[in-house]
Amino acid sequence: AQSVTQLGSHVSVSEGALVLLRCNYSSSVPPYLFWYVQYPNQGLQLLLKYTSAATLVKGINGFEAEFKKSETSFHLTKPSAHMSDAAEYFCAVSPNDYKLSFGAGTTVTVRA
Amino acid sequence: NAGVTQTPKFQVLKTGQSMTLQCAQDMNHNSMYWYRQDPGMGLRLIYYSASEGTTDKGEVPNGYNVSRLNKREFSLRLESAAPSQTSVYFCASTILPGPQETQYFGPGTRLLVL
Repeated sequence: AQSVTQLGSHVSVSEGALVLLRCNYSSSVPPYLFWYVQYPNQGLQLLLKYTSAATLVKGINGFEAEFKKSETSFHLTKPSAHMSDAAEYFCAVSPNDYKLSFGAGTTVTVRA
Repeated sequence: NAGVTQTPKFQVLKTGQSMTLQCAQDMNHNSMYWYRQDPGMGLRLIYYSASEGTTDKGEVPNGYNVSRLNKREFSLRLESAAPSQTSVYFCASTILPGPQETQYFGPGTRLLVL
């Protein structure tokens, strides 16, 4: 069975600082990996996804993630945080079927 | 294009009452999903419909039933609500039932069971 672990339920960064959100998965085969973002009182929307085309994936709003098979990781980064990045972020994995398994989520707050 | 819409946005029920959560998508997607979101647990799949006319159980189906009314609509029914079903419910859809497909989410229904 797939599982996704997001390290840190809450991350606080200063505006302009690096944002790093960690995600590790367990899988016997390389899965498809996703990062979704949820703004307050809204549904989730896709930030980026890994589908084996390239290990470094660029997404919307300046975010990117790198797939590292040897570390079974798919960490999300953004070089410079903006106040509008305050949200909850979910890592998700889909193996060979079409059901997503989500991590518990990481809430990001941005300090002015 | 409204995308994925859900009704109602908020509902309060008493234990034992029943209700149906409605979901519709106007993107001509084939697959639809129901999730529940609880603090610290991410989203968990309740039921899904890979295509019109099919439904299957997800991770947490107990206490719920679903109906894929047509290609656009996928409803979730609570026959006898329990306080443990207090949650935020999200509907989602994908173009096809593939593992690489992006899921498009509705705005959610907040349910409180007293």
